[in-house]
Amino acid sequence: KQEVTQIPAALSVPEGENLVLNCSFTDSAIYNLQWFRQDPGKGLTSLLLIQSSQREQTSGRLNASLDKSSGRSTLYIAASQPGDSATYLCAVSQGGSEKLVFGKGTKLTVNP
Amino acid sequence: ETGVTQTPRHLVMGMTNKKSLKCEQHLGHNAMYWYKQSAKKPLELMFVYSLEERVENNSVPSRFSPECPNSSHLFLHLHTLQPEDSALYLCASSPGGLLVGETQYFGPGTRLLVL
Repeated sequence: KQEVTQIPAALSVPEGENLVLNCSFTDSAIYNLQWFRQDPGKGLTSLLLIQSSQREQTSGRLNASLDKSSGRSTLYIAASQPGDSATYLCAVSQGGSEKLVFGKGTKLTVNP
Repeated sequence: ETGVTQTPRHLVMGMTNKKSLKCEQHLGHNAMYWYKQSAKKPLELMFVYSLEERVENNSVPSRFSPECPNSSHLFLHLHTLQPEDSALYLCASSPGGLLVGETQYFGPGTRLLVL
């Protein structure tokens, strides 16, 4: 059974700092990995999707990497801003289904 | 209105009540999902519908009953719930039928409290 773990559970940083969020998964037979953002009381917004054949994806100040063989992904946020404060969720897709398996998330607070 | 909408946004119900959650997507997608998000637990997939047919039922208790009358609407009928069913219920949709690897688009969720 696939399990996704995110470390740390919570992170507080000053504005402007570069930071890394970690995600690990137990079964390397994934189809893709996604990073989502969730603001309090709201739904999820997809940030980046990495196919299993890719090593990384970039969008603005966000960069996500994938090491499928070791079961790890990182989300790098450059020059963090207070507006980046949210919970960041990692999810993997197993081949053959639309099922996403989620981690518990990392709650990020960026202090002005 | 665009995207995925959910109503109501908040719901309080007793254990003997019957209520329904509604999800509507305005994206022309063919697949829709129900997820449960409990405190301190990962998001859990409950049901998947593709082209209005249920293709996944993730061992969900029968007190939760989904309905997908067309590709734009998804309901979750609730009856005789338990306090541990209190959670945020999220609806999502994706473009294709069973194409793996598509991004899912989420609604804002319904915050449910069972007393």
